Amino acid sequence: KQEVTQIPAALSVPEGENLVLNCSFTDSAIYNLQWFRQDPGKGLTSLLLIQSSQREQTSGRLNASLDKSSGRSTLYIAASQPGDSATYLCAPTGFQKLVFGTGTRLLVSP
Amino acid sequence: DVKVTQSSRYLVKRTGEKVFLECVQDMDHENMFWYRQDPGLGLRLIYFSYDVKMKEKGDIPEGYSVSREKKERFSLILESASTNQTSMYLCASSLSQLAGPSSYNEQFFGPGTRLTVL
Repeated sequence: KQEVTQIPAALSVPEGENLVLNCSFTDSAIYNLQWFRQDPGKGLTSLLLIQSSQREQTSGRLNASLDKSSGRSTLYIAASQPGDSATYLCAPTGFQKLVFGTGTRLLVSP
Repeated sequence: DVKVTQSSRYLVKRTGEKVFLECVQDMDHENMFWYRQDPGLGLRLIYFSYDVKMKEKGDIPEGYSVSREKKERFSLILESASTNQTSMYLCASSLSQLAGPSSYNEQFFGPGTRLTVL
């Protein structure tokens, strides 16, 4: 059974810092991996999807990498802003289904 | 843009009531999912459907049932609500992985329904 761990569980940084969120998973037989953002009390917003054949994917200030063989993914956020404050979730995909980590809660202070 | 909508943002029900949560997507996706999210436990899959009238149990199906009569609509049913079903419920949809590699199986989520059972 796939197990997903996200480290750190919480992170507090000043505005402007570059930061890295980590995701590890136990079963490397995945089709792709998705990163989400969740604001308090809201649904999930898809940030990036990395196919299993890709090594990384970029969208604006976000860059996600995937090392399937070692069961790791990282989300890099450049020049963080207060609006980036949210919980970030990673979810590797088996056949048709995602398995979620418990997330990293990020607070970016002005 | 894909849009997934859920019938209610907030819902308060009493123990023993039958509760219906509705989800509608507008992108002709084959797959639809129901999750619940609880502090410290993350998102857990209740049921999913990969086609009309098809359903498959997720990790925590006990106490729930689902209905998918039309491709765009997926309903979650709590037959007799209990206090331990108080939670945030999230619906999602995606293209079928069987549609081919271009689908990528990316999931899109609705805004969630916060259900309180008293």
